[in-house]
Amino acid sequence: VMNQSPLSLPVALGQPASISCRPSQSLVYRDGNTYLSWIQQRPGQSPRRLIYKVSDRDSGVPDRFIGSGSGTDFTLKISRVEAEDVGVYYCMQGSYWPYTFGQGTKLEIK
Amino acid sequence: QVQLVESGGGVVQPGGSLRLSCAASGFTFNAFGMHWVRQAPGKGLEWVAVLWFDETNTWYTDSVKGRFTISRDNSRNTVSLQMNSLRVEDSAVYYCASTPPNWNYHYWGQGTLVTVSS
Repeated sequence: VMNQSPLSLPVALGQPASISCRPSQSLVYRDGNTYLSWIQQRPGQSPRRLIYKVSDRDSGVPDRFIGSGSGTDFTLKISRVEAEDVGVYYCMQGSYWPYTFGQGTKLEIK
Repeated sequence: QVQLVESGGGVVQPGGSLRLSCAASGFTFNAFGMHWVRQAPGKGLEWVAVLWFDETNTWYTDSVKGRFTISRDNSRNTVSLQMNSLRVEDSAVYYCASTPPNWNYHYWGQGTLVTVSS
């Protein structure tokens, strides 16, 4: 189980935002990597991965998106929210089957 | 340019069958695991099935075991999802996704809508 919070996140433009993800068990795979990702889904669009292996940014992802954490406590921070960041954010684990997503956090502009 | 293009969605009655396909291009298909992820209307994301790049592992979420089958054709760069004994609760947008074993890349298609209704 991937426990995500908050489920709703109103943020003013230019302000920081933070989303928490707490898996019910360790996500360290047998190869030593932690396959914890963050997924963004803008309204009406397909999902898009932003962060993988806890803190690595995918190509083209702005550096205002920062992933961190270890063990069973992970965080996605957006340093300064922009209008294009509106959407739903999911944490996701790919260490063990069944791969699972968090419940999703809906980010909106206040 | 990476592309994953799903097809085969539609409306089907409960108990019926559908076959979804995903055509891939722009990456080394036979080095990537292929996934199907679904999203019911207004709901979150749910992993449905995974087939490893070398076909050594195939995994299904519990609710579709025995009803859905994932397969791939590396000569045609396609992955399919055969869905039998469909239920109303299988209604969703089905996304095709791909990742290499080290998860350093993660590509998604645009999705295809499956509606199971009488």
